[in-house]
Amino acid sequence: EAQVTQNPRYLITVTGKKLTVTCSQNMNHEYMSWYRQDPGLGLRQIYYSMNVEVTDKGDVPEGYKVSRKEKRNFPLILESPSPNQTSLYFCASSLKTAANYGYTFGSGTRLTVV
Amino acid sequence: GEDVEQSLFLSVREGDSSVINCTYTDSSSTYLYWYKQEPGAGLQLLTYIFSNMDMKQDQRLTVLLNKKDKHLSLRIADTQTGDSAIYFCAVEYNFNKFYFGSGTKLNVKP
Repeated sequence: EAQVTQNPRYLITVTGKKLTVTCSQNMNHEYMSWYRQDPGLGLRQIYYSMNVEVTDKGDVPEGYKVSRKEKRNFPLILESPSPNQTSLYFCASSLKTAANYGYTFGSGTRLTVV
Repeated sequence: GEDVEQSLFLSVREGDSSVINCTYTDSSSTYLYWYKQEPGAGLQLLTYIFSNMDMKQDQRLTVLLNKKDKHLSLRIADTQTGDSAIYFCAVEYNFNKFYFGSGTKLNVKP
């Protein structure tokens, strides 16, 4: 089944403890992106990637890192999480061809930083 | 950054048409999208339109784009209770930068 898989689905952590949220897609998509969703704010783009080793900042990149060492994986790294990073995180991927331009989203990771 | 605005709520009766509106501020968009989010789920792509188009129809969905007024709308014909969800519009720039509206919660009454 074609999908974007995020892990974990739920995570509670403490301030300052490094964590990684994994994202993997099995559709051979070149484009991948991370978002956070907060009540009343919709989704805000954190980072995106156009291909292996090609990444760029979205609207809210502060406090996050990403890497794209292989096409299928696009992990989101929080080196020193803070409570204001408590949010619902989504990973998405796309092939961006004329017939298939939209993004497929993962099911989300709910992160709580205490 | 870019501002993308949507009204928060819309309530319709089953069988009626729903129209969800979205406005944005930067006219240099490339593609514009509508996504649907059901409780506890990720976003599901409904449809998208290229910025040089005025209209796109896909079964019960009709997207209208007024570039001059920077206004995008999604019309759902014959709305069903299963259409109850949050609908997000998203505007893409430079083929990779996205800005989302805060979502419109559609409530369909039987």
